[in-house]
Amino acid sequence: DAGITQSPRYKITETGRQVTLMCHQTWSHSYMFWYRQDLGHGLRLIYYSAAADITDKGEVPDGYVVSRSKTENFPLTLESATRSQTSVYFCASSVRDRAHEQYFGPGTRLTVT
Amino acid sequence: DAKTTQPTSMDCAEGRAANLPCNHSTISGNEYVYWYRQIHSQGPQYIIHGLKNNETNEMASLIITEDRKSSTLILPHATLRDTAVYYCIVRSPNFGNEKLTFGTGTRLTIIP
Repeated sequence: DAGITQSPRYKITETGRQVTLMCHQTWSHSYMFWYRQDLGHGLRLIYYSAAADITDKGEVPDGYVVSRSKTENFPLTLESATRSQTSVYFCASSVRDRAHEQYFGPGTRLTVT
Repeated sequence: DAKTTQPTSMDCAEGRAANLPCNHSTISGNEYVYWYRQIHSQGPQYIIHGLKNNETNEMASLIITEDRKSSTLILPHATLRDTAVYYCIVRSPNFGNEKLTFGTGTRLTIIP
């Protein structure tokens, strides 16, 4: 039972590059979420999705793009990476009627140089 | 959403019960109390939630006061692996209100 996985686990990229972080869950959960975690800011929601083809902004969406063509995948794209996007990114999922019981992936540590 | 207040840090001896308090004095009638924890370098982990009755699962117990203005998460026999940051979150489960806001939490250290 793979649960929820993220790839890559570590990524170093340069300013201005496009980067896509992948998230995959095997539970068929309706909801999926992307958070970033920085020292001093805690966990902040970037985007979330209630179902395939339905996405909505969270607290800090600027500079990020998401898509959800399939229930199990929720990729996060940084269209033109900036140093301020250096962070640890966590993906999470939950069932529709228990959206606050979220199950998190192991995280992706992204460094933008 | 109701704001929560938690102590910044706590210590607990291994094998003892760890009692983590959370104040949520502005909680409204349909808001639940959720607890998560985050072990170093891992993603947050859902622990338990409740509305007004005490709840218990295989990980912990949640005690909510009768006026619902505060709650306590209890880890009955703390182990070193329980060292983590614990987050108390208050949310209503209404559709369209799925977002969780994580505060700074309580850093719990289990002492051998």
